[in-house]
Amino acid sequence: DQQVKQNSPSLSVQEGRISILNCDYTNSMFDYFLWYKKYPAEGPTFLISISSIKDKNEDGRFTVFLNKSAKHLSLHIVPSQPGDSAVYFCAARETSGSRLTFGEGTQLTVNP
Amino acid sequence: DGGITQSPKYLFRKEGQNVTLSCEQNLNHDAMYWYRQDPGQGLRLIYYSQIVNDFQKGDIAEGYSVSREKKESFPLTVTSAQKNPTAFYLCASSAVRFNSYEQYFGPGTRLTVT
Repeated sequence: DQQVKQNSPSLSVQEGRISILNCDYTNSMFDYFLWYKKYPAEGPTFLISISSIKDKNEDGRFTVFLNKSAKHLSLHIVPSQPGDSAVYFCAARETSGSRLTFGEGTQLTVNP
Repeated sequence: DGGITQSPKYLFRKEGQNVTLSCEQNLNHDAMYWYRQDPGQGLRLIYYSQIVNDFQKGDIAEGYSVSREKKESFPLTVTSAQKNPTAFYLCASSAVRFNSYEQYFGPGTRLTVT
């Protein structure tokens, strides 16, 4: 049972445009959400997070939106840069405990 | 420099042999985690530990074992009972405090078993 799903395995965007990566979840007990970026053969690096009591969090070019009623979150990258090309994972934390549940990842390619 | 180290970067073993992957952190984090990544799949949790001398099974613990004798170290043993051991293994750690649940990852170990 996949509790965190990223339905788009890949996304291709032109440099300078907006990248929108999507993530859906099914577990109502998730209360904290995170986005990670991963290059091949490296560990993921933390990008941005959002608590379930908020609907938006912004950090520079990265903004995460949370729609609790739809159990959906998205990561917006504006403007997209070629260095943003990587696999992006969303993750969720269940109330109580520290373990995270990860989605399958979306490969973002930003074309110059 | 604070961080998480995993060694070695690449590891090759013959089928039937146990192998231990190293993970060390100097971030003073209480919690540590082991994940496995396979092509086209997300990160799947193998084991995690929230405190020294205690650990819990994750979603795919069969064929693996861990120990947590020191706060800084969380080695993972891939036993011969693990049916598909070839994968990219990632170790992570996190501080256990309210409203801060980010996990920080090491560079990973690519294990190939033939």
